[in-house]
Amino acid sequence: GAVVSQHPSWVICKSGTSVKIECRSLDFQATTMFWYRQFPKQSLMLMATSNEGSKATYEQGVEKDKFLINHASLTLSTLTVTSAHPEDSSFYICSVSTGGWTSNQPQHFGDGTRLSIL
Amino acid sequence: SQQGEEDPQALSIQEGENATMNCSYKTSINNLQWYRQNSGRGLVHLILIRSNEREKHSGRLRVTLDTSKKSSSLLITASRAADTASYFCATAPSFSGGYNKLIFGAGTRLAVHP
Repeated sequence: GAVVSQHPSWVICKSGTSVKIECRSLDFQATTMFWYRQFPKQSLMLMATSNEGSKATYEQGVEKDKFLINHASLTLSTLTVTSAHPEDSSFYICSVSTGGWTSNQPQHFGDGTRLSIL
Repeated sequence: SQQGEEDPQALSIQEGENATMNCSYKTSINNLQWYRQNSGRGLVHLILIRSNEREKHSGRLRVTLDTSKKSSSLLITASRAADTASYFCATAPSFSGGYNKLIFGAGTRLAVHP
């Protein structure tokens, strides 16, 4: 499997600021990572697929300019919530895919980041 | 978008009892996976069952898959208080283009009382 570290675990900031969340794959070179969003007591909603060295693939309804994803290395993907507002408050979770183009592998998740916008 | 439904949404049982959670999905899949999430934490992978498999075991966990009915079940036997968590099924759709993309169900919140 892969060990995934996500930072920070909790962030509180004022409306209008930008927040960067890091997702690191500690022991696996990850060409593909995923970013999810989770509201309280709800399921995970896939936001985007992060591909090393290329542009992220966003799911329908997710604003590309709002949620900037950068996957510049095989061990790090970042999600930046730009000009955050209270409605962006949520639990954001990243995962690493170890399967590459074969899909019969589980994903390995970080511990999530709780974002609160005041 | 969510793939399907899980039931029950919440389940409360006593230690030692068995817990059964069901998951339905909508599209053809490569595999179905079950994950566990403790409150405020990330997800932990429990078991993966491929589309050509019907049943799989791992310790106290038993997963079944019925592709004709597009449904799966997770059975936890002899439950413990430490099993208290949310459980999610996730499907890897056949059309995901090879990126191992997962679509999650709504989840079942399990509470096991001592």
